[in-house]
Amino acid sequence: EVQLLESGGGLVQPGGSLRLSCAASGFTFSGFAMSWVRQAPGKGLEWVSSIRDTGTSTFYADSVKGRFTISRDNSKNSLYLQMNSLRAEDTAVYYCAKTLLGKNCFDSWGQGALVTVSS
Amino acid sequence: EIVLTQSPATLSLSPGERATLSCRASQSVSSYLAWYQQKPGQAPRLLIYDASNRAGGIPARFSGSGSGTDFTLTISSLEPEDFAVYYCQQRSDWPITFGQGTRLEIK
Repeated sequence: EVQLLESGGGLVQPGGSLRLSCAASGFTFSGFAMSWVRQAPGKGLEWVSSIRDTGTSTFYADSVKGRFTISRDNSKNSLYLQMNSLRAEDTAVYYCAKTLLGKNCFDSWGQGALVTVSS
Repeated sequence: EIVLTQSPATLSLSPGERATLSCRASQSVSSYLAWYQQKPGQAPRLLIYDASNRAGGIPARFSGSGSGTDFTLTISSLEPEDFAVYYCQQRSDWPITFGQGTRLEIK
């Protein structure tokens, strides 16, 4: 059974930094692209970032480009999202998501990590 | 970026009825469209990928159709557990984008 467990969420001041982690199990992590998708309170889904299986290619939404960095450690079956220069509009539940093989859609999701940016 | 517009915003139906949800893309996405279901407090669940392929474990009452710019998610006979928010998502081009969602509520 695929399991994705996010951690690292919390309250941070505007301009601050936070690092999200996602621990994966139940599948061959190194064989799949992974992504982060967020959802602001009461709002819809917004894709944030994706990383290919080898980690050699990364993709970002314009809203986070230059501030967020996605990475992975295949030896630890882990996905990360380093978030810098956080803004109030980054407040959201951040989901770690496994990509359906070769399809760039998301067939497994974590339970989400809440990030609140507020002074 | 490709904008996905879902309609209606809210759909009120009764169990046993047929639901038809629409997703329109601002430019062609070929068949690279997926549908998700999200219930309150839960993560989304993949229902359909590549316009018409059911994801693993998804009941046959869910079906998807369309190509190019116009897509439809059909639930043939609503079960009580189907009342939720539904999102479409395109993977044709970066950035990946989602529609704003359709809320399916009990009438």
